[in-house]
Amino acid sequence: DAGVTQSPTHLIKTRGQQVTLRCSPKSGHDTVSWYQQALGQGPQFIFQYYEEEERQRGNFPDRFSGHQFPNYSSELNVNALLLGDSALYLCASSLVRTGGEQFFGPGTRLTVL
Amino acid sequence: AQKITQTQPGMFVQEKEAVTLDCTYDTSDPSYGLFWYKQPSSGEMIFLIYQGSYDQQNATEGRYSLNFQKARKSANLVISASQLGDSAMYFCAMRVPNFGNEKLTFGTGTRLTIIP
Repeated sequence: DAGVTQSPTHLIKTRGQQVTLRCSPKSGHDTVSWYQQALGQGPQFIFQYYEEEERQRGNFPDRFSGHQFPNYSSELNVNALLLGDSALYLCASSLVRTGGEQFFGPGTRLTVL
Repeated sequence: AQKITQTQPGMFVQEKEAVTLDCTYDTSDPSYGLFWYKQPSSGEMIFLIYQGSYDQQNATEGRYSLNFQKARKSANLVISASQLGDSAMYFCAMRVPNFGNEKLTFGTGTRLTIIP
């Protein structure tokens, strides 16, 4: 039973560029949540997708957008990258009917130069 | 709004000793869940233990137990007989109901180092 997978593992971009991060949920899960974890901090909730729609959103600007596909996988897009976007981006998947227990992937470490 | 406070940035513990990691929380919702996650240097968040606000007994999972004191709004993690592999960041998190899937609110974490 495959767990949550994320790609790429590491990514280096420059300011102003755009980036797309990908997440495949745990088998059988239908909901994907994205978190940003800056160095030395706890993860911060970005948004959550269910049935291909954004259900909840944290305090992040519109530069952060996402998508969920019919197979439940998800993408996180960040436009006009800033140095402060450098962080570990974690994806978590869950299943609505079980109460939403979240399982995390290994994360994508984004460095903005 | 929910808030999690972890006041211990780092802890050093001798191998085989027990360790308590502190966590206090704040929410106005009567129904909530409290979680502890372990994050090794690889980055993945590993679920350790869960406590529901209406659970009558403290949660236990192997060497992990959660000391839940509702009146004090604290949910401390106790690791018994610590091992070298327990060295990692530990995060306390809270979830409140919101029509199905709910976001997790995390604290700033505690870095635990086990000394041989």
